[in-house]
Parts: sequence; structure tokens; C-alpha cells
Amino acid sequence: AQKVTQAQTEISVVEKEDVTLDCVYETRDTTYYLFWYKQPPSGELVFLIRRNSFDEQNEISGRYSWNFQKSTSSFNFTITASQVVDSAVYFCALSSSNTGKLIFGQGTTLQVKP
Amino acid sequence: DADVTQTPRNRITKTGKRIMLECSQTKGHDRMYWYRQDPGLGLRLIYYSFDVKDINKGEISDGYSVSRQAQAKFSLSLESAIPNQTALYFCATSEQGDLRNEQFFGPGTRLTVL
Repeated sequence: AQKVTQAQTEISVVEKEDVTLDCVYETRDTTYYLFWYKQPPSGELVFLIRRNSFDEQNEISGRYSWNFQKSTSSFNFTITASQVVDSAVYFCALSSSNTGKLIFGQGTTLQVKP
Repeated sequence: DADVTQTPRNRITKTGKRIMLECSQTKGHDRMYWYRQDPGLGLRLIYYSFDVKDINKGEISDGYSVSRQAQAKFSLSLESAIPNQTALYFCATSEQGDLRNEQFFGPGTRLTVL
């Protein structure tokens, strides 16, 4: 069975702090995809990144970076120098290549205080 | 105009009422999905459709039904709404054969069952 676990329910930081959101997944598929989505207070889902199971390179996009480690089945997300606008719920998700269905983690609520 | 639209955006109804949530897309995608979001549970798949004649149950289909009226339209019905169906509902689409499995989400429908 496929499963995504985001053990951190809520995180609160002060602006400019770095913060890491954890994501651990379970799957028996050899080909799969991992995603991160952001849900701001307005409610829509904003796509942040997709990573396939064969690409373990870390990725950096501005203040955002992602660390994918197959050995520990983790796909963690780090925000450097956090800002108030980063306050949102963040979801990690997993999909298998044959069905396209997304399995979401429970979400982590990040609050960045000024 | 948005590629994936949902109507209504907000709905308040009473226990026992029948309600339909509608989703339309202009992306030309074959695959469509309905998810519900509950606090602390992330998004969970209700139903998904790979084309007009192919409809499948997700992990939490009890109490729901769907209709794929056309490639562009996928409706979710609650035959007799109950309070624990109060949630945020998302429609999503993806392209058949897209190995990247990117899903495009609508803006969500907030449903309250009193």
C-alpha cells in the first residue's frame, strides 16, 4: 500500500528563520513521483515541485530547496529565510506511474510570525 | 479563464438534501479526479475517471456518486448529505499517458452540511 506521512502537524517560526518540512513515503512501485503543494489561506492548491523516483538530485528554487533520499524514503522541503507569505499548509504527495492517483500526506501548517 | 472550474464555490445545505458539485475543464485532459480535504487528514480520493466510460472508486467513495457527462465535465453527487461530509472538495485533471502525473486542481468547493 502507498502512504505518505507528514509527522509535523504544525510548525511556528519567526520570520527569517530556516524551516524544514518532513515527508516520508511508502510504496512498492519502482517508478513513482513525489510532489509538494502549498495551500495558502485562500484555499487553492499551488504546485511547487515534482520529482521522479529516478532523480535523486536535490533541487533549489530561490528560497526553496528539496532533499530527496530514496534510502530513507524521504522528500523533505526546506524554506530558507522564511517570510510571512510562506504561512500556509504544505502537502507532500505520492503518485504511481500507472494510475496517476495522488496519495497525500496529512499536511503541515506553517506559521511564520513577523 | 481558469482551466479547471468548480461550481458552486461555497454551499451550505441541510442533512438529507441531495447536492451536486460540478467540475469543468478546458485542458482537454482525459483523467479527472474528485478529492475531499479534511483538517489533519490531507486530501483523499473519492472517485476518478480515466475517460467518459471509465469511472473508478477511490478510497472514500461511500455516500458519493459521480457522473462523467463529457470529457470536460465530472460531477460529484451527495445523494443524502450528512454532517460528516462537511469538507473542502477539489476536482483535478491530468493527461492520459503523462508519466509526470501532473494534476491540475480547481479552486475548491467548500461544503457545509448542517
